[in-house]
Amino acid sequence: SQTIHQWPATLVQPVGSPLSLECTVEGTSNPNLYWYRQAAGRGLQLLFYSVGIGQISSEVPQNLSASRPQDRQFILSSKKLLLSDSGFYLCAWSVRGVSSNSPLHFGNGTRLTVT
Amino acid sequence: KQEVTQIPAALSVPEGENLVLNCSFTDSAIYNLQWFRQDPGKGLTSLLLIQSSQREQTSGRLNASLDKSSGRSTLYIAASQPGDSATYLCAASIFQKLVFGTGTRLLVSP
Repeated sequence: SQTIHQWPATLVQPVGSPLSLECTVEGTSNPNLYWYRQAAGRGLQLLFYSVGIGQISSEVPQNLSASRPQDRQFILSSKKLLLSDSGFYLCAWSVRGVSSNSPLHFGNGTRLTVT
Repeated sequence: KQEVTQIPAALSVPEGENLVLNCSFTDSAIYNLQWFRQDPGKGLTSLLLIQSSQREQTSGRLNASLDKSSGRSTLYIAASQPGDSATYLCAASIFQKLVFGTGTRLLVSP
């Protein structure tokens, strides 16, 4: 069966520090991968999605970036964190794109607090 | 721009009651409509996916319906249990994106 791992579960970082969140999927190949952010009281915001190695689409221009160095690995990064980057970050995968009939499967999320 | 709204924002019911959660979307050109459950501090769990050509989907005590023409979906939970307490989110798929509502927080009391 397929599983998705996301770490760390919680993270407290000072403003201006770098960020690296990692997500890996097991039990499937060539998944579509997604990074979402969930801010308090707001819906999920799509940040990045990837349909293959090295293929990244950005939805929101900001100081975050994403990379997909391996088929089942998706990394969210920042060179300098802002206070506004605080939130709950969720990685997700699907067999095919969300416009198909493949449901989206989420990891357990990373709670990021920027101080 | 697709917008997804969920009403009510919060709902509290006694155990055993049947209940309906509502989801509305502004652009009817969706590929599918998905319902998720989120427990506090956790990720989302996929509950049901309704294709644009379907009217409803069922899984156990859950039944989701879709009316594209009116831009509405409902999630029906039969014989609610305390374990059903969670936030329920709907999401409409358009092009390569899932647009999420802000959720309905459900509390089922024993």
